Amino acid sequence: DAGITQSPRYKITETGRQVTLMCHQTWSHSYMFWYRQDLGHGLRLIYYSAAADITDKGEVPDGYVVSRSKTENFPLTLESATRSQTSVYFCASSERGNTIYFGEGSWLTVV
Amino acid sequence: AQSVSQHNHHVILSEAASLELGCNYSYGGTVNLFWYVQYPGQHLQLLLKYFSGDPLVKGIKGFEAEFIKSKFSFNLRKPSVQWSDTAEYFCAVNAGNQGGKLIFGQGTELSVKP
Repeated sequence: DAGITQSPRYKITETGRQVTLMCHQTWSHSYMFWYRQDLGHGLRLIYYSAAADITDKGEVPDGYVVSRSKTENFPLTLESATRSQTSVYFCASSERGNTIYFGEGSWLTVV
Repeated sequence: AQSVSQHNHHVILSEAASLELGCNYSYGGTVNLFWYVQYPGQHLQLLLKYFSGDPLVKGIKGFEAEFIKSKFSFNLRKPSVQWSDTAEYFCAVNAGNQGGKLIFGQGTELSVKP
């Protein structure tokens, strides 16, 4: 039971580059989420998806793009990375209103 | 906008001390409530949850939480903490009109001294 897998787990990139963080879940959960975790801010929702081809903005969507062509995948793209996007990114999935299960996180550093 | 507040940002306790972490939310309708724990360097794991029924819920590792609807609170408790409880604790709320989204509090860092 693989659950949720994120890749890459660690990434260093340069300002202005495009970066994609991948997320794959094996439970066929309807909902998928991307959160970022920063010191002093807890977890903030970037984007979420209620089903394939349905996505919506969360609390901090600027600078990010998502897609969900398949139920099991929910990639997060930073179109032009900035230093303020240095963070730990967590992908998660759930059924509506139920327990959300988190991936192990992707540590991104933008230099 | 709905929000979740955790009053304690950093709590330091000695082993065997009792723990209570506060959590309040601002949504007035039906809610599902969660506490997650994040051990150093790891991802978030579910500690316990409340959907309905008995407002006192028990979770893993001896943790429990009490839902008090009139106070919009969902405080986490443990009668006797251990060094291994050192972690960050997050309260989260799924409100009825928010689809599957969880809104998180800012987290409380717990340090337990051996």
